[in-house]
Formats: sequence, structure tokens, C-alpha cells
Amino acid sequence: KDQVFQPSTVASSEGAVVEIFCNHSVSNAYNFFWYLHFPGCAPRLLVKGSKPSQQGRYNMTYERFSSSLLILQVREADAAVYYCACEVDRGSTLGRLYFGRGTQLTVWP
Amino acid sequence: DARVTQTPRDKVTEMGQEVTMRCQPILGHNTVFWYRQTMMQGLELLAYFRNRAPLDDSGMPKDRFSAEMPDATLATLKIQPSEPRDSAVYFCASGRGQGVNNEQFFGPGTRLTVL
Repeated sequence: KDQVFQPSTVASSEGAVVEIFCNHSVSNAYNFFWYLHFPGCAPRLLVKGSKPSQQGRYNMTYERFSSSLLILQVREADAAVYYCACEVDRGSTLGRLYFGRGTQLTVWP
Repeated sequence: DARVTQTPRDKVTEMGQEVTMRCQPILGHNTVFWYRQTMMQGLELLAYFRNRAPLDDSGMPKDRFSAEMPDATLATLKIQPSEPRDSAVYFCASGRGQGVNNEQFFGPGTRLTVL
């Protein structure tokens, strides 16, 4: 079954590097996407790709079946839900993203 | 700054009532997605469209949910009759397709509460 797995919660102290791991069982997946979601707002894309990528404080690692989101110098304001998703290269489902269940990040001062 | 818009933002209704949620995708995007967000399941895909044609609605309970795109600027998700277990946040997202340019842009969601 096509599924994406990520931890339900991650906690860290402020200033540390946080890693959120994601792996999947989705056949023909080739792109990873990491989204950030604050309650009441629209989820927004942080970083994406089929190779290691960086956008500001956000780094994405890439392996065939897994990816990690690294948040550098994490702040209390980064506390939110982070979604991992992957895109498949498979006929009519091109463009569809398979999402994990989200990881709630808690940051303490 | 182009955005996906959704209406209503909040909806409280009683069990058995019909609920219609609307989405305006970003102009020029050819794919539209409906998701349901719950604590237990995260973001579940309900249905999606490409060039207004439905591609996959296997995530929707067929007996009560329906999704349509009457035109390129409007997507609707309807629940009839609604049930308390339908309470969730429903997101619409739009995008340009696949590959290196693929990104789904999300709307702010409709928070549905069915009493």
C-alpha cells in the first residue's frame, strides 16, 4: 500500500538542529516535499526536490525511500505541524502527492 | 500575490444537513485537490481534478460526498447528509501538474463542525 511514514511528535530545545525523518512505501516516488502548517493557516511548502536541497534554515536530505527535514537554529516560533509528501512518476497520478500524517514539533526555551 | 481561496472558513451545522464548500484555485493552475485533515489521519486526499476532469475520488465516501468543478475558477465539495464524523478541516489545493515545477498551493481551509 502506498504510505508515507513520519513521527507524530518531535521535541527540541531552542537553538538546536531538529531532524524530522520520513520514509515511504510508495512505488515510483521520486520527489519529496516538506510542508509547514500552523493551525488556522494554509499549509505552505518549505522545500522540495529529488536531491538534497536547502531553503534558508531548512535543509532536506534525499534517499530513494526516505528524506529528512533539518531545521537549523530552531525557534519557539517554529512549533507547528510538518508534513512530508512524495510525488510519484506513474501515469495518470502524475502530480498527486502522498502525504504523511504530520509531525508536531514542540520547541522549549 | 495569487492565493487559493476557500469559503466558508468556518461552518457549524447539524447532522443531516447539506454542506457545500467552495474553492477558487489559482488562475492558470490545472490541478485541484481536496483534502481532509484530522488528528488521526493527517491530510487525506479525497478527490482531485486535472483540467476540470476528475482523476481520482477513491478517498471519498461515495454515498454522501461529491466533488465537482463547474468551471476552471470553482471547485466544490458537497456532503449530503452530513454526519458528526465529518467534522474536520477541509483543504483545497491547486497546482500546475507534475515534475520539477510541481507544488501544491493550499487554501486556508474550511473548518466543519457537524453537531
